[in-house]
Amino acid sequence: GNSVTQMEGPVTLSEEAFLTINCTYTATGYPSLFWYVQYPGEGLQLLLKATKADDKGSNKGFEATYRKETTSFHLEKGSVQVSDSAVYFCALSESYGGSQGNLIFGKGTKLSVKP
Amino acid sequence: DGGITQSPKYLFRKEGQNVTLSCEQNLNHDAMYWYRQDPGQGLRLIYYSQIVNDFQKGDIAEGYSVSREKKESFPLTVTSAQKNPTAFYLCASSSMGQGFYEQYFGPGTRLTVT
Repeated sequence: GNSVTQMEGPVTLSEEAFLTINCTYTATGYPSLFWYVQYPGEGLQLLLKATKADDKGSNKGFEATYRKETTSFHLEKGSVQVSDSAVYFCALSESYGGSQGNLIFGKGTKLSVKP
Repeated sequence: DGGITQSPKYLFRKEGQNVTLSCEQNLNHDAMYWYRQDPGQGLRLIYYSQIVNDFQKGDIAEGYSVSREKKESFPLTVTSAQKNPTAFYLCASSSMGQGFYEQYFGPGTRLTVT
């Protein structure tokens, strides 16, 4: 079945450091890919998305490119801030069948940014 | 403002009691979802509904029940049969016609059963 694997955390960085959180997936069909962010005690917020190969999603300085050849969707940010401290989830959407539209999530990566 | 509301934010129950978690959306979305989140486990799908009066089991449906009598509402009941009900529960919705299957999440309900 479909699955998402993302790097385990926690990841601790200093402010203004470069961030990469790796995400790879296994899927049949042509899923859409997402990054969600969760701040402590809250629900998930969509950070960015990509719907087809080579698409680049971007938002708030974060970027991720849908790489079909490497089945990856790595999250990057050039200069992190303390306010970026959160848990980040990579997800893909089921693209066919009765579960079409359902999301498969990775286990999440906790990011802590120190001033 | 459009969005998803979940109530209450915190819920405490004694073991052996059923408890119902509320989820309401005013986004006019067709599909609604319930997830369970445990530390280090990511999100696991409990139930989902793509249309009123119909719903499907997710990966961990045992010990849970749902109903979808209205498009806006998708309540989740955690029954006494659920062996380990203490968790953070998240409700989400999406528009099936959108094509991208982007899900919008509520703020969550933290359930503690003792």
